[in-house]
Amino acid sequence: DTGVSQDPRHKITKRGQNVTFRCDPISEHNRLYWYRQTLGQGPEFLTYFQNEAQLEKSRLLSDRFSAERPKGSFSTLEIQRTEQGDSAMYLCASSLKGQTIGNTIYFGEGSWLTVV
Amino acid sequence: QQPVQSPQAVILREGEDAVINCSSSKALYSVHWYRQKHGEAPVFLMILLKGGEQKGHDKISASFNEKKQQSSLYLTASQLSYSGTYFCGTENNAGNMLTFGGGTRLMVKP
Repeated sequence: DTGVSQDPRHKITKRGQNVTFRCDPISEHNRLYWYRQTLGQGPEFLTYFQNEAQLEKSRLLSDRFSAERPKGSFSTLEIQRTEQGDSAMYLCASSLKGQTIGNTIYFGEGSWLTVV
Repeated sequence: QQPVQSPQAVILREGEDAVINCSSSKALYSVHWYRQKHGEAPVFLMILLKGGEQKGHDKISASFNEKKQQSSLYLTASQLSYSGTYFCGTENNAGNMLTFGGGTRLMVKP
């Protein structure tokens, strides 16, 4: 257990429905990341926050995806009008920005999404 | 751009050694290595910051050749618990987000 917790761990939804995932990072960590991982692939970067500010978004993050970190603590990732191609594991990670580079990033257990 | 890992898969007998390589087409600020078991989160192994830096943890060590934009992970005297998929994550700018390679699946057999 790295201290990054995600909820729910598994979600099965029908195509077209909206889903929301929550991530609670390690308490003192000011950076929070969302990644997506499909079977047999490495994690793909989606977006990251420093405190409550969303600093970078991947072009993978279509208009149907939105992420928030309202008070600089937990974060939510919402997917609207889900499609079968959204089926994946959504990983949250956090780090403490203590150095300019090379801060260790810790991953949560992931939230599995299956769109049927 | 995604770093390239090689080999894609390797099968070992317990006690054998393996090397996993990670190379990038972009300059690297740091390289992070993770191991992921099926259905679980990636677990941090080690981070390398400087060119030529080598780090070790038990029988797993790594090197970083900044000039060649490459890193290698060395697993010696492999144990059954080493089985899993190994990912390198590269930091290409000071933004601290990592770009991961496609992974190397390692299976250690008794």
